[in-house]
Amino acid sequence: QTVVTQEPSFSVSPGGTVTLTCGLTSGSVSNSNCPSWYQQTPGQAPRTLIYNTNILSSGVPDRFSGSILGNKVALTITGAQADDESVYYCVLYMGSGLWVFGGGTRLTVL
Amino acid sequence: QLQLQESGPGLVKPSETLSLTCTVSGASISSDDHYWDWIRQPPGKGLEWIATIHYSGPTYYNPSLRSRVTISVDTSKSQFSLKLSSVTAADTAEYYCARHTRDSGDFYWGQGTLLTVSS
Repeated sequence: QTVVTQEPSFSVSPGGTVTLTCGLTSGSVSNSNCPSWYQQTPGQAPRTLIYNTNILSSGVPDRFSGSILGNKVALTITGAQADDESVYYCVLYMGSGLWVFGGGTRLTVL
Repeated sequence: QLQLQESGPGLVKPSETLSLTCTVSGASISSDDHYWDWIRQPPGKGLEWIATIHYSGPTYYNPSLRSRVTISVDTSKSQFSLKLSSVTAADTAEYYCARHTRDSGDFYWGQGTLLTVSS
């Protein structure tokens, strides 16, 4: 069974740049997986940041960006701010109508 | 503006069947380009996709839950629903309904409803 992998945790300094990744235990992530990223703060529903690899969701600041990075997909935050401290999830489309979420990355800004 | 509102019992007993409903407003549930989803999140854990339905009928299920899950749609009420049978404590979670666009991972989320399984 293929699992979607994410770093469990990451830290970044305020104003710094951080790249979170999302991969597969077997195979490479591609645009056909419709890779998408969500931000979740405690007690809130997830918020879409990036969908289909690199499309910025409406209202999301452009310091968030998405890309393919080797055999993974990446979410880059440029100029990190204190309120970026959240859990970030990716989701991949596995075909036949099936979606799989990664385990999430807890980002600390300090 | 699309709004998704989950509703459910809040508490169910082990071995029972849970039923959740999502009411859609601000957009048509009968859109050819959109699919309707259930996603859950156990307390302190990550997200798990459960199932998807299109108003015209096609359904898709997480293989790990397929034997216990049924998703359905009622276009006359602009609602879609989830039934999960033989629940255990492991099914305690925040349950979100969502919508995504065909060929896109752009999920639009409801606010979620907490479902606790306990005797």
